[in-house]
Amino acid sequence: GAGVSQSPSNKVTEKGKDVELRCDPISGHTALYWYRQSLGQGLEFLIYFQGNSAPDKSGLPSDRFSAERTGGSVSTLTIQRTQQEDSAVYLCASSPPSAINADTQYFGPGTRLTVL
Amino acid sequence: GQQVMQIPQYQHVQEGEDFTTYCNSSTTLSNIQWYKQRPGGHPVFLIQLVKSGEVKKQKRLTFQFGEAKKNSSLHITATQTTDVGTYFCAGRGSTLGRLYFGRGTQLTVWP
Repeated sequence: GAGVSQSPSNKVTEKGKDVELRCDPISGHTALYWYRQSLGQGLEFLIYFQGNSAPDKSGLPSDRFSAERTGGSVSTLTIQRTQQEDSAVYLCASSPPSAINADTQYFGPGTRLTVL
Repeated sequence: GQQVMQIPQYQHVQEGEDFTTYCNSSTTLSNIQWYKQRPGGHPVFLIQLVKSGEVKKQKRLTFQFGEAKKNSSLHITATQTTDVGTYFCAGRGSTLGRLYFGRGTQLTVWP
């Protein structure tokens, strides 16, 4: 079946512009995560959605970052007034609702963001 | 707050040598997972450990979960060039909430 998809795959923007990154999780998955990964670095947690619960936004680095998840499915990560330090690969992951596999994360291919 | 520490950050081995990466948590984990990220790729789920003292094997890979459920290890026997990548552990605490990823161990295998 289809995996997690993200769009665009690459985004080049100018400093100060706003960008929107999209994530389509696997159908039926209730949990959705956003991570940021700079070149050669680990995964930096940004935000976590679980069903209808209030999202865990504790990883968002500044108020320029926001995310929403509509209808418990598609999610959009918005970065306002982008800065050069926002350049990174943004990864989305989703997890199934089953008790056994609820923590297994299925990652999308990521969006590579370059801020000039 | 909860943290998952992973060491070493980098490991360079000759093909055929063994490799081990370790994860330690500041708190008891309900489970721990391991992921592999190939260069240029995204993390891919390898395995999940749930029980205290659990050991699981996948061919040349051996995964262990400590008795106290605070540490875990991944051991690769006789590394091959196809093992190249970054290995991440990720753990969940005892309360509902997000997974915490370790920083990852980047494995390089020389032919």
